[in-house]
Amino acid sequence: GAVVSQHPSWVICKSGTSVKIECRSLDFQATTMFWYRQFPKQSLMLMATSNEGSKATYEQGVEKDKFLINHASLTLSTLTVTSAHPEDSSFYICSGRDFDGYTFGSGTRLTVV
Amino acid sequence: RKEVEQDPGPFNVPEGATVAFNCTYSNSASQSFFWYRQDCRKEPKLLMSVYSSGNEDGRFTAQLNRASQYISLLIRDSKLSDSATYLCVVTSRGAQKLVFGQGTRLTINP
Repeated sequence: GAVVSQHPSWVICKSGTSVKIECRSLDFQATTMFWYRQFPKQSLMLMATSNEGSKATYEQGVEKDKFLINHASLTLSTLTVTSAHPEDSSFYICSGRDFDGYTFGSGTRLTVV
Repeated sequence: RKEVEQDPGPFNVPEGATVAFNCTYSNSASQSFFWYRQDCRKEPKLLMSVYSSGNEDGRFTAQLNRASQYISLLIRDSKLSDSATYLCVVTSRGAQKLVFGQGTRLTINP
């Protein structure tokens, strides 16, 4: 089946630094990639939808200048958390739209100290 | 009001029991419906799609009532491995994005 490879699986960074998370679709072309965030004991909240070759569409309340999304190719989408703060600590997960439905990456646990 | 609402639980049931989860959605234009399961600190995985006619996959049965905007999941003869958080998910007509409920946590006890 379809696979989305997400890296890193976990990262600890200092407050004020930036972190890049990558999602690669390994055996399909993900023209659309969804980025979610999940806080402890809460559900997945959609942050933004990225389409290959165009600007991402952000959900209400998500700062586009803080969460930079790049989807330059059909197999790679990246999310950069800029100037991270402790409140950005969360589980970030991507999902690619494939021929059969939706395939999720394995998630990135970000801790900002 | 949340677009997709579930009882967060937790549900603690003995092995072999039957357990039922309910979910309601607010957008009448919702088109596709799913149940996902999520293990702790893992990505969600599709359990089954839900159709108006109802569908069954082994011990799992899902039902959709469009008039009431209500979705259910029934697990029979529960196993220890069924312990997880169960997420009710919908998409809207024409929209590709998935909208998740807050999830219902289930623990099966030996």
